Amino acid sequence: EVQLVQSGAQLKKPGESLKISCQGSGRSFTSYWIAWVRQMPGKGLEYMGIIYPGDSDTRYSPYFLGQVTISADKSISTAYLQWSSLKASDTAMYYCARSPAPGESNFDYWGQGTLVTVSS
Amino acid sequence: QSVLTQPPSVSGAPGQRVTISCTGSGSNIGAGYDVHWYQHLPGTAPKLLIYRNNNRPSGVPDRFSASKSVTSASLAITGLQAEDEADYYCQSYDSTLSVIFGGGTKLSVL
Repeated sequence: EVQLVQSGAQLKKPGESLKISCQGSGRSFTSYWIAWVRQMPGKGLEYMGIIYPGDSDTRYSPYFLGQVTISADKSISTAYLQWSSLKASDTAMYYCARSPAPGESNFDYWGQGTLVTVSS
Repeated sequence: QSVLTQPPSVSGAPGQRVTISCTGSGSNIGAGYDVHWYQHLPGTAPKLLIYRNNNRPSGVPDRFSASKSVTSASLAITGLQAEDEADYYCQSYDSTLSVIFGGGTKLSVL
């Protein structure tokens, strides 16, 4: 069974850096794309970007380009989402999700979410 | 404000049928891009409910169905059950914005 397991909740201060992870099970990890989706408190889902762990081809939503960095390490079937300088407005739940392709494809498996809280 | 417009909330009594609309434009649904639907219960991972406009993944009851029109899509739930109470999101692709989600619809089972 496909599983995406995300790293635990984080409490950070504004200006700090952060890298959260999403580890996939199964040999198919490098055959799919992994996306990151944000859900701010009380709000809906927002697509941030997507990466193909097989060759680290990465595409960003225009809204998040330059705000975060998506990366992956295929040797350990893990994708990452990182910030160099967090803001209070980055407080949200972040989900990783698997997709067969970038663009109009669906997300068939999701991680359990990582809650990021940024507060002084 | 989301590019895909969904009603903020819908409600229905157990056993009834409800529909959730997802209205886009010519740069997304109207351009022929697929629409997918997700069910999201608070505190859990979103679940794929419908993919490629009207296809159900294995394990999704046939009470859930969806359709797509020119610039909109619709999710229908028949035989409403208490366990269906959740947030529902449509998702598509926009030629200028990339992947987009609807704003979400909260379904209440009365």
